[in-house]
Amino acid sequence: EPEVTQTPSHQVTQMGQEVILRCVPISNHLYFYWYRQILGQKVEFLVSFYNNEISEKSEIFDDQFSVERPDGSNFTLKIRSTKLEDSAMYFCASSRDKGTQYFGPGTRLLVL
Amino acid sequence: QQQVKQSPQSLIVQKGGISIINCAYENTAFDYFPWYQQFPGKGPALLIAIRPDVSEKKEGRFTISFNKSAKQFSLHIMDSQPGDSATYFCAARGGGNKLVFGAGTILRVKS
Repeated sequence: EPEVTQTPSHQVTQMGQEVILRCVPISNHLYFYWYRQILGQKVEFLVSFYNNEISEKSEIFDDQFSVERPDGSNFTLKIRSTKLEDSAMYFCASSRDKGTQYFGPGTRLLVL
Repeated sequence: QQQVKQSPQSLIVQKGGISIINCAYENTAFDYFPWYQQFPGKGPALLIAIRPDVSEKKEGRFTISFNKSAKQFSLHIMDSQPGDSATYFCAARGGGNKLVFGAGTILRVKS
């Protein structure tokens, strides 16, 4: 069964550094998303992406964040100048249409 | 108005019992209500979902009950098993196809 994959599984970075989280969505899916989950809290929407542009973004998704689909398979989340509060689990998701979203296993980001 | 309220925070059920998790929402524009199951260190996995024009949906031991007028929906897990022990999130789909998640319920099924 096709699945969403994410790399790396864990990332440790120093405050102020830039990180890129990578995702490979399910191959025939057209809609892509990033969510995050701070430890012990609920999953929060960050951004949705369709047809090579952002469809919607949350208040969390400020100028510090950007997304890109650099080729036909990858979908990336870049976090510039990381802050301590960016420490969280970041989930990529994809959907074929505006239906079921399938989540990847996540990248655990720790900012020191 | 974008919130989804979920209860209880945690639940302990005996093996073979019924687990019930409840969610409530305010935004009548939500048009799709999935439940996700999450095991530690893993991403949320879709369990079952319902649209607001249906009052109940059953898949195996899992049933969603949906009350549109009350803006509430619930997940029932029949014959709960230790392997069902996980965190369960209700969610609602809003504009832009984003999912708004509830706070989660940690379910523990005792054998």
